[in-house]
Amino acid sequence: GQNIDQPTEMTATEGAIVQINCTYQTSGFNGLFWYQQHAGEAPTFLSYNVLDGLEEKGRFSSFLSRSKGYSYLLLKELQMKDSASYLCAVRDSNYQLIWGAGTKLIIKP
Amino acid sequence: ETGVTQTPRHLVMGMTNKKSLKCEQHLGHNAMYWYKQSAKKPLELMFVYNFKEQTENNSVPSRFSPECPNSSHLFLHLHTLQPEDSALYLCASSQDGTSGSGELFFGEGSRLTVL
Repeated sequence: GQNIDQPTEMTATEGAIVQINCTYQTSGFNGLFWYQQHAGEAPTFLSYNVLDGLEEKGRFSSFLSRSKGYSYLLLKELQMKDSASYLCAVRDSNYQLIWGAGTKLIIKP
Repeated sequence: ETGVTQTPRHLVMGMTNKKSLKCEQHLGHNAMYWYKQSAKKPLELMFVYNFKEQTENNSVPSRFSPECPNSSHLFLHLHTLQPEDSALYLCASSQDGTSGSGELFFGEGSRLTVL
């Protein structure tokens, strides 16, 4: 079966750095996505990785290792507004998106 | 308006009611999707439409009936639902439903409660 694993919940301190991991087992691979979802709001696209390595976008970076079936989302200089759920999704060989259950990130002052 | 708009935002219905959820996208995308989001569970894909044609139906019970009259509008008709159908229903669109890096653009969802 296909599976995406990510931690259910994480807590971090304002101004710090946090890394949210995502591991996957899928039938093929055609890219990995990260989305952010604030409570009661729509998920919004954060990043897309299809090749190994690090993609940096401001305070957020996303890393991919296809051989390890592993990705992480790195958030730097955390702000209170970063409190949200972070969803990892992998596109398989049939271009179907397989979703993780999301990681709820709690930022404390 | 821009983006993906869903109405109603909240809906409470009895098991014998008939209601519909509406989604409209103003992004010029070709693909539209219905997802079900339950607490602490992965997003569940329900239906996909590409150029108004249904290309995906993930074994969804017939009490959920989608309709896509054009590439900008998508409906989800609800009939004789069960309490376990209570969830957040998300509509999304993308430029191409089958390939490319095309990310999904989501609406804010319709929170459904079935009594």
